[in-house]
Amino acid sequence: QKEVEQDPGPLSVPEGAIVSLNCTYSNSAFQYFMWYRQYSRKGPELLMYTYSSGNKEDGRFTAQVDKSSKYISLFIRDSQPSDSATYLCAMRSYNTDKLIFGTGTRLQVFP
Amino acid sequence: DAGVIQSPRHEVTEMGQEVTLRCKPISGHDYLFWYRQTMMRGLELLIYFNNNVPIDDSGMPEDRFSAKMPNASFSTLKIQPSEPRDSAVYFCASSNEGDGSNQPQHFGDGTRLSIL
Repeated sequence: QKEVEQDPGPLSVPEGAIVSLNCTYSNSAFQYFMWYRQYSRKGPELLMYTYSSGNKEDGRFTAQVDKSSKYISLFIRDSQPSDSATYLCAMRSYNTDKLIFGTGTRLQVFP
Repeated sequence: DAGVIQSPRHEVTEMGQEVTLRCKPISGHDYLFWYRQTMMRGLELLIYFNNNVPIDDSGMPEDRFSAKMPNASFSTLKIQPSEPRDSAVYFCASSNEGDGSNQPQHFGDGTRLSIL
């Protein structure tokens, strides 16, 4: 079993839809949770960062962490075609710099 | 500011050849990470350095892989001899040592490696 599980998709939604992306994990020591966005033929770029449990909002993006369920989510409101990319969750425990990534969910937002 | 710079962007070579991938981290960053990305396994950490010193190389698949960081502005990942199963996109990332809770890794655009 992988430490971090993520549905690969693809997920196809119309412009303006609310998108929900999720990851589950097995290591209860994970404390730091991140979402990266990766466009085709580019490197991942950090979108959101959350420490421990709770919510964080940044514009159209909201990250949620539920440590009791070992479940994290990224919500995208009013999705745009420019949001079409692969979204990777990543996490690490407090005593390491080593990030563990999910395999990524490919999102396509059509006009 | 320039981001993480990787070269070459694409590499196609024959099985058995030596391959050298290069990375220039963001100036002032003291962590450098090498990753490999495939469809099947996603993004996997191979090795990372702190202040030019290798900290964790447990992700290096086998002795054919080696990485060096001779100075703060340059690192190489070498595969010798290369095999078709090494075909993947290799990413380099760098980060700053912050307060431990906010160290975003900045990625280069990767080297797409194909071993024939």
